[in-house]
Amino acid sequence: GAVVSQHPSRVICKSGTSVKIECRSLDFQATTMFWYRQFPKQSLMLMATSNEGSKATYEQGVEKDKFLINHASLTLSTLTVTSAHPEDSSFYICSASTPSSYNEQFFGPGTRLTVL
Amino acid sequence: AQSVTQLDSQVPVFEEAPVELRCNYSSSVSVYLFWYVQYPNQGLQLLLKYLSGSTLVKGINGFEAEFNKSQTSFHLRKPSVHISDTAEYFCAVSGSYSGAGSYQLTFGKGTKLSVIP
Repeated sequence: GAVVSQHPSRVICKSGTSVKIECRSLDFQATTMFWYRQFPKQSLMLMATSNEGSKATYEQGVEKDKFLINHASLTLSTLTVTSAHPEDSSFYICSASTPSSYNEQFFGPGTRLTVL
Repeated sequence: AQSVTQLDSQVPVFEEAPVELRCNYSSSVSVYLFWYVQYPNQGLQLLLKYLSGSTLVKGINGFEAEFNKSQTSFHLRKPSVHISDTAEYFCAVSGSYSGAGSYQLTFGKGTKLSVIP
């Protein structure tokens, strides 16, 4: 149980294009989803938190107009990197939780974004 | 505010030897503590968690951790490691309320465990 998927697993795009990453909870309803960014050999950096049906809450320093997050249903959240640039290249990981998960977050497998 | 310190960035250990990965935390509220493992180019997998009750927590793959409130520590141990345990290990503490009954996690910087044949 508690499986989270991400799609795509890997994406390469040209500078200036937009990329959408999907995060799905496959066997449970995720009231909250989190989006993280991870640079090589570093820890996870929380980008934003989204509760289903509400606007996402962004961490300080994360541009909300660049990283658009939508959490329209209890099983799907999307992260859109708009006008991507090489410095946006990173490993993006989503996680999901529910009130009954006792603070545990269930992580997706991650998406490797490379912007040329 | 919560914080997590993983004292060792890298830990090399020979196969079948014991290992301890250290984690210290600070929190102004009651804590839930977690250890996650990350294999290359993958997401995080939960090893074990402490919510309440017994301070010795057993997890998957033979790992265990002990919650020590007085020392604010949650060290991860395994009595005999395997090559397959080579991975990055993250300690995390529950943090700010995110709404809808969920809480953020604050992660340590990670410890790279390398098991030497």
